[in-house]
Amino acid sequence: NAGVTQTPKFRVLKTGQSMTLLCAQDMNHEYMYWYRQDPGMGLRLIHYSVGEGTTAKGEVPDGYNVSRLKKQNFLLGLESAAPSQTSVYFCASSYPGSGYEQFFGPGTRLTVL
Amino acid sequence: GNSVTQMEGPVTLSEEAFLTINCTYTATGYPSLFWYVQYPGEGLQLLLKATKADDKGSNKGFEATYRKETTSFHLEKGSVQVSDSAVYFCALSNAGNNRKLIWGLGTSLAVNP
Repeated sequence: NAGVTQTPKFRVLKTGQSMTLLCAQDMNHEYMYWYRQDPGMGLRLIHYSVGEGTTAKGEVPDGYNVSRLKKQNFLLGLESAAPSQTSVYFCASSYPGSGYEQFFGPGTRLTVL
Repeated sequence: GNSVTQMEGPVTLSEEAFLTINCTYTATGYPSLFWYVQYPGEGLQLLLKATKADDKGSNKGFEATYRKETTSFHLEKGSVQVSDSAVYFCALSNAGNNRKLIWGLGTSLAVNP
């Protein structure tokens, strides 16, 4: 099992460019999450999904969109990147009966110039 | 609402010292409680968890006891090692929280040889 994987690991964008971050999990988990981590601010939830075809907003959804077309994949899109979106992005997944324990990917470090 | 408060870091200790990182929570009902660890340059991984009052979670020499009377879940280790240097996050999940985790801001630990 690869667990939760994230693509790419690093990316540099210019302001206004767009990109998609891919999260994939091979554990058949129902729930998936996208977080951003910034110094001194802990983890902040961007969007999450409680099942294939469903998504919901988290604490900081502005400037991001997501899609969950397949159960194993959760995509995070930036339509027009801004320097404020420079961050480390983590994807996680969980399943019913786990007490909502979450399993994390290794992260994507994004820099927006 | 639900919230988690952790002691602020950074915490700096010498090898073999005793570690306590305080975590208190506010929640309705009966949440599950977690400690996650993030080693430098990596994603978060579950360190230990407790799903009901008086449960003790333990792993890798770390322990935490779910104290409902004091709404606390303090992390302890009797003798830290340099390899324990990391950021530690306390979190809770609650059935009424739509499968999301509520996170503390993290406590950075540096252990010197």
